[in-house]
Order: sequence, then structure tokens, then C-alpha cells
Amino acid sequence: QKEVEQNSGPLSVPEGAIASLNCTYSDRGSQSFFWYRQYSGKSPELIMSIYSNGDKEDGRFTAQLNKASQYVSLLIRDSQPSDSATYLCALLASGTYKYIFGTGTRLKVLA
Amino acid sequence: DTGVSQDPRHKITKRGQNVTFRCDPISEHNRLYWYRQTLGQGPEFLTYFQNEAQLEKSRLLSDRFSAERPKGSFSTLEIQRTEQGDSAMYLCASSPGRGYTDTQYFGPGTRLTVL
Repeated sequence: QKEVEQNSGPLSVPEGAIASLNCTYSDRGSQSFFWYRQYSGKSPELIMSIYSNGDKEDGRFTAQLNKASQYVSLLIRDSQPSDSATYLCALLASGTYKYIFGTGTRLKVLA
Repeated sequence: DTGVSQDPRHKITKRGQNVTFRCDPISEHNRLYWYRQTLGQGPEFLTYFQNEAQLEKSRLLSDRFSAERPKGSFSTLEIQRTEQGDSAMYLCASSPGRGYTDTQYFGPGTRLTVL
């Protein structure tokens, strides 16, 4: 079982819709979770971090964490073509300061 | 705060040559990370430093790879006797070194092509 699992996509949504990206993880002790956006040929850019169960909102982005289900999600409201990118889910592994990344979900927002 | 910088941004080399990459972290960030990323994959952890100490190294990292962070500032990643399979984006990231709220930020990466 991979430590961080994401559907590779592509996930296609129309402009203005809500994009929902999901991630599951196996490290029950992890407390820290992150979403990064990565455009083709560029390095990952931090979008959000979340540490507690529940929702965390930042502008058009909402991260959701459910530690009991070992599940993290990212919602993007009012999706724009400029949101088209690969979204990487990551966690800080328990007992270490090592970050583990998923393979990413490719999002396509159709104009 | 100028962000994480990496040099060079691109490197083309012939198989068997040695290459060295440099990373300058965000100032006052204690932790520095190296990753390798290939097409369609997420960043793969290679190693990380807390100040000048190398605290963890991936088992995937062969003896041909070595990293240093003298004086706890910039870091170098050297690959000896490069192979075609080493072709990838090499990413550096740094973080302040807080507890579980620690967050890392990436540099622009060095793209290595081994011919």
C-alpha cells in the first residue's frame, strides 16, 4: 500500500464548477497535511496546510481532514482555467520530519 | 525573503560524468530537503538536513549520490558517474524547523538530462 494515494486523473471540470480532489494515507500518526499545486515544468507551490479534523478555508480553496478515515480532500470553488495543474497531497510522516507525497491528481478546468 | 534558489536550472551531461547542484534555502530556515521527481510522479524524498546535520537519507539513494550542507546554509547534491536513469527534476525545499506545523517551500528545481 502506498503511503499517500491519489487518483492520477485527469479530473475534468467546467469553468465555474467545484473541483474535488481526494487523498488517502496510511500513516495514522501523521498530524500534518499539505496540498501543493504544480504546473507543468514548474516546482510545487504550497496551497494549504491542515492539521486538525474538519475544514479549513482560504479564498476559493477548502481543505478537509478526517483523521479517523485517513482522508484529506481539497475543494476548489469557482474553478478557473488557470487552476489547471497537478495537485499534490503530502504529509509529514510521524516520528520524523520527512514529507511524503502522493503522485498527484491532474486537474483540467474547461473554459 | 527571496525564496529558495537552485543552480543551475538545467544541466545536460553525458553518462558517466559527475554533476553538482546547489540549493540556497530561505534565510533562517533550519531544515533543507532534496527530492527527485520524474514525469507523472510526486516528489521522491532523497535526504534532509537539520542545520548542517544530515538526519535521514533515502534507501533509494545509491552510493553515487551525496549531499552536504556545510555551516548549515546552502547545500550541494552531487551525483557521480551519472546514468540515464538519473534524468529527472531535482527539487530542493526548506522549512523553518517548527514542530508538526512545519511547512516546506520549494525552489524552482534543477532539470538534469543524462545523454
